[in-house]
Amino acid sequence: NAGVTQTPKFQVLKTGQSMTLQCAQDMNHEYMSWYRQDPGMGLRLIHYSVGAGITDQGEVPNGYNVSRSTTEDFPLRLLSAAPSQTSVYFCASSPSWTGGKNEQFFGPGTRLTVL
Amino acid sequence: GESVGLHLPTLSVQEGDNSIINCAYSNSASDYFIWYKQESGKGPQFIIDIRSNMDKRQGQRVTVLLNKTVKHLSLQIAATQPGDSAVYFCAENKTGRRALTFGSGTRLQVQP
Repeated sequence: NAGVTQTPKFQVLKTGQSMTLQCAQDMNHEYMSWYRQDPGMGLRLIHYSVGAGITDQGEVPNGYNVSRSTTEDFPLRLLSAAPSQTSVYFCASSPSWTGGKNEQFFGPGTRLTVL
Repeated sequence: GESVGLHLPTLSVQEGDNSIINCAYSNSASDYFIWYKQESGKGPQFIIDIRSNMDKRQGQRVTVLLNKTVKHLSLQIAATQPGDSAVYFCAENKTGRRALTFGSGTRLQVQP
């Protein structure tokens, strides 16, 4: 299994541009999520999905859209990039969320810079 | 407000010593706590978890302690090795919510 894969690894955007960060997992996990990590800070949840066709907002959803048309893929779309969205983005997946237990497997991250 | 935070941003220890990383949380409605390790340039990696109805849980070279009275969580690493050098995050799951809240992290530096 490849686990959780993310593309691209690095991206530079200009303010106002849009783009999609790709995330895929081959472990048949129900739960997938997107986090952003800013320097010196922990991870903040952007959006998550508990299964195909079901998504919900996390802590910092503004400026981002997600969809989950398949179990494997969970792309994150930046609608109109802003310098405040410069960050490292991590995608994670887990088999399910049962009784609070949720061992998430993280991808390698995408480092995004918005000029 | 709700928060999961850490007492020390950087912890430096000698190889072979035991390490203790601390975390304070403010939300008493959390039912599950997890420690993650993040090496430079990589995504976080699950280390160990503990349910709110437990006080202690042990893994391989790691122990997590939960003190609900003072809302404190700690990760103990025995015989710290250079490979343990990383940033460690605590995270909590609030009851009924399918999302984790992460603390800001502690950097562990292991001196040879």
